[in-house]
Amino acid sequence: AQSVTQPDIHITVSEGASLELRCNYSYGATPYLFWYVQSPGQGLQLLLKYFSGDTLVQGIKGFEAEFKRSQSSFNLRKPSVHWSDAAEYFCAVGAGDSNTGKLIFGQGTTLQVKP
Amino acid sequence: DARVTQTPRDKVTEMGQEVTMRCQPILGHNTVFWYRQTMMQGLELLAYFRNRAPLDDSGMPKDRFSAEMPDATLATLKIQPSEPRDSAVYFCASGLGGGSDTQYFGPGTRLTVL
Repeated sequence: AQSVTQPDIHITVSEGASLELRCNYSYGATPYLFWYVQSPGQGLQLLLKYFSGDTLVQGIKGFEAEFKRSQSSFNLRKPSVHWSDAAEYFCAVGAGDSNTGKLIFGQGTTLQVKP
Repeated sequence: DARVTQTPRDKVTEMGQEVTMRCQPILGHNTVFWYRQTMMQGLELLAYFRNRAPLDDSGMPKDRFSAEMPDATLATLKIQPSEPRDSAVYFCASGLGGGSDTQYFGPGTRLTVL
């Protein structure tokens, strides 16, 4: 069965520092992979997604993620974090018969940004 | 700017009462998902629809939860009777349903059952 693991429940970084959020997935074939962000009191918003082609994916708000098949990982990165990036981040994998669009989400990583 | 809308945004009710949550998907989207978010369980998929037909509702407690799409512009999630353990934020999302498709989330309904 497909699954997603986000090993870090909570991360704190200083404003201006670089960021990497980890995501590991379990899936038999080439997965569809997503990163969503949730600001307090809001719904989830797509940051970026991977489904084929270049393994380095660019997203909104200066985020990028790299698909590494050998490590079953899809880590999210940002070179310089802004205070407005404080939020919860979810990694997700397309599940089962992927044409449904069904997703399996990780437990989320809460990002705190220190001034 | 097309958005998924959900009503109500907040609902406080007493145990045993019926609760109905509504979702208006983005016009033209043919797939609708219902999720529940809690601190303990994270994001759980309750049910989803394609072209108004239920594809999978295995995530829903069948005895008290029901989900429908009376028409293409409205999805509903009902809980009857509600219980304190149903307290959570319920999200609706819509999309075009392909494997790589983006799901667009509504702002959620925060349900508190006393």
